[in-house]
Amino acid sequence: NAGVTQTPKFQVLKTGQSMTLQCAQDMNHEYMSWYRQDPGMGLRLIHYSVGAGITDQGEVPNGYNVSRSTTEDFPLRLLSAAPSQTSVYFCASSYRFSGLPPLTQYFGPGTRLTVL
Amino acid sequence: GQQLNQSPQSMFIQEGEDVSMNCTSSSIFNTWLWYKQDPGEGPVLLIALYKAGELTSNGRLTAQFGITRKDSFLNISASIPSDVGIYFCAGQLGGSQGNLIFGKGTKLSVKP
Repeated sequence: NAGVTQTPKFQVLKTGQSMTLQCAQDMNHEYMSWYRQDPGMGLRLIHYSVGAGITDQGEVPNGYNVSRSTTEDFPLRLLSAAPSQTSVYFCASSYRFSGLPPLTQYFGPGTRLTVL
Repeated sequence: GQQLNQSPQSMFIQEGEDVSMNCTSSSIFNTWLWYKQDPGEGPVLLIALYKAGELTSNGRLTAQFGITRKDSFLNISASIPSDVGIYFCAGQLGGSQGNLIFGKGTKLSVKP
């Protein structure tokens, strides 16, 4: 298994540009999520999905869109990049045991985004 | 929103020493998780705690879920150079669909 993969690894954007951060997992996990990590801030949840076709907002969703058309893929779209979105973005996936909340076990290697 | 207070922010220790770090919150969590992050990598799950009072070990790591469900600690015994990294606690709220609240991390440096 490749686990959780993210592309690209690095990206530089200009203010106002849009782009999609890709995330894929090959473990058949139902639960997937996106976090951003800023210096001194820990990780903050952007959006999450409990299964194909189902997404919801996390703590810091503004400026980002997601969709989940398949179990494997969970792309994150930046609609109009701003310097405040300069960050490291992590995708994660988890098992979902019946009757229990999912456990975020596997993180991808991250995408380092700079917005000028 | 909910916050986790993780301390200390950083630690500089000698190889072989024991390490202790903790997280506290004003919120009650159903699950406590501890992660380690190496430079340039994503966090890796070390220990998951599911019940108040639970004490769980993973090799030289031991973590406990506080009785009040508002705190947790992580101990590392006999530290080695590869323990270097940033350790994060995370709490999972009940009914939250598994969403995590992360602490800001403890950066551990180990002198050989």
